[in-house]
Amino acid sequence: AQSVTQLDSQVPVFEEAPVELRCNYSSSVSVYLFWYVQYPNQGLQLLLKYLSGSTLVKGINGFEAEFNKSQTSFHLRKPSVHISDTAEYFCAVSEGAAGNKLTFGGGTRVLVKP
Amino acid sequence: DAGITQSPRHKVTETGTPVTLRCHQTENHRYMYWYRQDPGHGLRLIHYSYGVKDTDKGEVSDGYSVSRSKTEDFLLTLESATSSQTSVYFCAISESGTSGYNEQFFGPGTRLTVL
Repeated sequence: AQSVTQLDSQVPVFEEAPVELRCNYSSSVSVYLFWYVQYPNQGLQLLLKYLSGSTLVKGINGFEAEFNKSQTSFHLRKPSVHISDTAEYFCAVSEGAAGNKLTFGGGTRVLVKP
Repeated sequence: DAGITQSPRHKVTETGTPVTLRCHQTENHRYMYWYRQDPGHGLRLIHYSYGVKDTDKGEVSDGYSVSRSKTEDFLLTLESATSSQTSVYFCAISESGTSGYNEQFFGPGTRLTVL
């Protein structure tokens, strides 16, 4: 069975500073990897995804993530955050089986401070 | 935004009462999902559907049932609500699950409180 661990439950960061959110997964097969963002009182929105190919994936709002198969990681980064990046971020994995079922990590709450 | 609505958006109920949450889509997507979101657990899959009248259990299905009589509607029922089912419930849809991967789109959520 697959599982996802987000190592930080909260990350405070100053505006215009870089941020990295860590995600590790476990699975016995090849996986698809995702980062979702949830703004306060809203649903989830896809930031980026890794399906195959280049291990560096660029997403919306200046975010990028790097897939590292040997370390089973998919860390999310942004070089300079804005106040509007304050949100909760979820890493998720799918084994691509019928149903596209997603397994989510516990989430990382990012608080951007002025 | 994908055409997904959830109703009600907020509900307060008492232990032991039945509750039904509705997810409605206008995208004609084949797959529909119900998740619950709890602090520290992210989202966990309750049930999903891969077509009309075709459903299967997810990770946390105990105490929940689902029905899908039309492509556009996916109902989640708590037969006898318990306080442990206090949560935010999200519906999601995706186009297909049998070849490659297709993105899941999420609804706005339903906040359920069981007293």
